[in-house]
Amino acid sequence: DAGITQSPRYKITETGRQVTLMCHQTWSHSYMFWYRQDLGHGLRLIYYSAAADITDKGEVPDGYVVSRSKTENFPLTLESATRSQTSVYFCASSESWYGYTFGSGTRLTVV
Amino acid sequence: TQLLEQSPQFLSIQEGENLTVYCNSSSVFSSLQWYRQEPGEGPVLLVTVVTGGEVKKLKRLTFQFGDARKDSSLHITAAQPGDTGLYLCAGVGTDKLIFGTGTRLQVFP
Repeated sequence: DAGITQSPRYKITETGRQVTLMCHQTWSHSYMFWYRQDLGHGLRLIYYSAAADITDKGEVPDGYVVSRSKTENFPLTLESATRSQTSVYFCASSESWYGYTFGSGTRLTVV
Repeated sequence: TQLLEQSPQFLSIQEGENLTVYCNSSSVFSSLQWYRQEPGEGPVLLVTVVTGGEVKKLKRLTFQFGDARKDSSLHITAAQPGDTGLYLCAGVGTDKLIFGTGTRLQVFP
């Protein structure tokens, strides 16, 4: 089915561990984005990508790494998870800077 | 830094009532979007307004873009429980979308 899928939906990890959140879209959209959503802060942009092999930092990139070797995939890696990275993470894709389609999110808890 | 403030933050109303949500900024945006997010899901795009003063209607929802393209409003007529959710405005900035702080709407039967 066409769409944007995130995995896993829920993840619990320990402080200091590396964890990767996956994002896959089937439209061949050029743009992909990673946001985190926290109470009191709304949606904040972590990283975005305008095309394969092109990525750029957003508002809150520290502690995160992204890659985009294929147009359809945009994984987000937390190199050494901290409790402050407990959040709901959303991936989105778009053919332009607006009109985003969001995934269903990954709820990450760092203990 | 471009910021979008939404008001009110929270709104609890009875089915059948009307309501308006506001989205304000000191910055000019080339266009503005409204999204609705239901619990456990990602935001879903409702509408994009592009021209200052533009009004768009989506069934019982009316969206307006301010003349100066710095603000927008969402009016819901005869709210229904299915309208419950988080409403987010988003401005198209220089190179990315800027999301507002959100309005959480609860409509009781």
